[in-house]
Amino acid sequence: GNSVTQMEGPVTLSEEAFLTINCTYTATGYPSLFWYVQYPGEGLQLLLKATKADDKGSNKGFEATYRKETTSFHLEKGSVQVSDSAVYFCALSSGYSTLTFGKGTMLLVSP
Amino acid sequence: GAGVSQSPSNKVTEKGKDVELRCDPISGHTALYWYRQRLGQGLEFLIYFQGNSAPDKSGLPSDRFSAERTGESVSTLTIQRTQQEDSAVYLCASSLLGVGNTEAFFGQGTRLTVV
Repeated sequence: GNSVTQMEGPVTLSEEAFLTINCTYTATGYPSLFWYVQYPGEGLQLLLKATKADDKGSNKGFEATYRKETTSFHLEKGSVQVSDSAVYFCALSSGYSTLTFGKGTMLLVSP
Repeated sequence: GAGVSQSPSNKVTEKGKDVELRCDPISGHTALYWYRQRLGQGLEFLIYFQGNSAPDKSGLPSDRFSAERTGESVSTLTIQRTQQEDSAVYLCASSLLGVGNTEAFFGQGTRLTVV
């Protein structure tokens, strides 16, 4: 079956530090890959996605590249801000019916 | 509406009671999903609706759980004879088509506590 593994948190960084949150997956076929973010007190929202190998999803300074050879979709940002503090979820969809999520990684950014 | 709306936002119930959770998806979204998030865990898929039918209900953990959708709109998730392990945040999402094609929009969830 499908599964997503992401690094455990919390990840604690100072403002302007470089961020990497690792995500690897197991799936049948050719899944689409997603990063969702949940800011404090808000619902989950899509951050970025990639639908085929070597695609790079990007949004709000965050990037992730779909690596089929390593089955990975690591999230990166060059310079984090306090406002990026949130829980980040890696997810995949190998059909149209469901998203399979990782456990989430909490990011805490201090000024 | 402007977004996915879930009610109630919080529910405390006694063990053994039935509860009903409601989801109002974004108008026009044909796909609707229910997920459960236990403390410290990822999101666990429960059921998927396309229109009013549920082609995938494989995630429902037991026959105490059921869900329906009417009018290609509102969905209710019912948990009968609640148990303490049912305590979790229940999330609803909707998308215009399936999630592989279009973005899924999530509600803020219903926090269920079974005491």
